[in-house]
Amino acid sequence: QQPVQSPQAVILREGEDAVINCSSSKALYSVHWYRQKHGEAPVFLMILLKGGEQKGHEKISASFNEKKQQSSLYLTASQLSYSGTYFCGTEAESYNTDKLIFGTGTRLQVFP
Amino acid sequence: DVKVTQSSRYLVKRTGEKVFLECVQDMDHENMFWYRQDPGLGLRLIYFSYDVKMKEKGDIPEGYSVSREKKERFSLILESASTNQTSMYLCASGSAGLAGGNSYNEQFFGPGTRLTVL
Repeated sequence: QQPVQSPQAVILREGEDAVINCSSSKALYSVHWYRQKHGEAPVFLMILLKGGEQKGHEKISASFNEKKQQSSLYLTASQLSYSGTYFCGTEAESYNTDKLIFGTGTRLQVFP
Repeated sequence: DVKVTQSSRYLVKRTGEKVFLECVQDMDHENMFWYRQDPGLGLRLIYFSYDVKMKEKGDIPEGYSVSREKKERFSLILESASTNQTSMYLCASGSAGLAGGNSYNEQFFGPGTRLTVL
């Protein structure tokens, strides 16, 4: 079952902040975040692991609440280059493989 | 630079045709993935391969098969294309996780193939 992302779409002015949420019905081992710009391939942003370890982007932060099976991506002081569709990919504890199940995406548009 | 390439950016086929989508990665990754992307549905996993000749079904494998004869190449096959398989198809690759299977590693995506089945 796909994780649920909210909101589905966000419109911002440059410099404003946004939060994108990802919620799963399964116990998670990790959450991955990707951004896809229009007409391009998705690009890795961050991985958050159970236990608190993170690996990823300098200017974008995220949190992972293991108990609630939720992750949030924080985009602060947004730039035009942040525009795109953001996907979370979840790795369930039960999988024991490297596969991810992606959410339906959040479309972010940043205007000058 | 990391690279995942897909054989075609755009492809138009007729209903009932057999369709091959090819993906090649140059990073010596163990894992390779095929997704389809449809508006409002995000990225849905069709099949996953964790080694040569090894595969695992994803969430929507019906109507598709895959082949991985060499580590760098992963093919998606539509045995008899149907109009509901019109979509964007994305290939990705990634390193294997630690022993036990859980992944610390990102996936690298190809540019996608937009397939239209008439």
